[in-house]
Amino acid sequence: EEQLVESGGGLVQPGGSLRLSCAASGFTLRNLDMSWVRQAPGRGLQWLSCISGRGGGTDYADSVRGRFILSRDDPKNTVFLQINRLRVEDTAVYYCVTTRDVTRFDHWGQGTLVTVSS
Amino acid sequence: QTVVTQEPSFSVSPGGTVTLTCGLSSGSVSSIYHPSWYQQTPGQAPRTLIYNTDTRSSGVPDRFSGSILGTKAALTITGAQADDECDYYCVLYVSGGFRVFGGGTKLTVL
Repeated sequence: EEQLVESGGGLVQPGGSLRLSCAASGFTLRNLDMSWVRQAPGRGLQWLSCISGRGGGTDYADSVRGRFILSRDDPKNTVFLQINRLRVEDTAVYYCVTTRDVTRFDHWGQGTLVTVSS
Repeated sequence: QTVVTQEPSFSVSPGGTVTLTCGLSSGSVSSIYHPSWYQQTPGQAPRTLIYNTDTRSSGVPDRFSGSILGTKAALTITGAQADDECDYYCVLYVSGGFRVFGGGTKLTVL
């Protein structure tokens, strides 16, 4: 079964950092573009970032550029999202998703909850 | 800043047809924006319905179809069923590698 499993979420104080992981099983992430999408409680979906499967180039939404860093380790079949200088408004479920055909997010993990609170 | 617009809510009768739209705060949506549509039920991750304007994702019934209608992308649901009642999101590729989701449409079937 093809799966994505996110981990690394939790409760963190404003200004803190977290590193989210997304591990794939049942398929390879090699050559696949991968994105992170988040959903704040009761709110809609927000695309955050994408990393290319060929070359590792990254794109970020304006709201997170400079604070979020997306990386990948293809031998470990894992992508990572480093989140720095966390804000209360970063509280959300964070999903990693395979990205094909530019906007086709076809494999979703179960998400990992990040709560930013003092 | 690019804003992708969707109707906040919509109602359809069981068996009826509904068309949800996805627009831009400025400008028209066309296929170059690669519009895609997602369905999300409470507590679940989203599911891909349509990508690249009108390509149905694997396993999606042909009751769901995508198109460009005028200046917007559109998702049409025919023969609406009770379990179609959930949230629908569109996403557009808006140059420079950026994707932007719309705010979502809550569909009620009643």
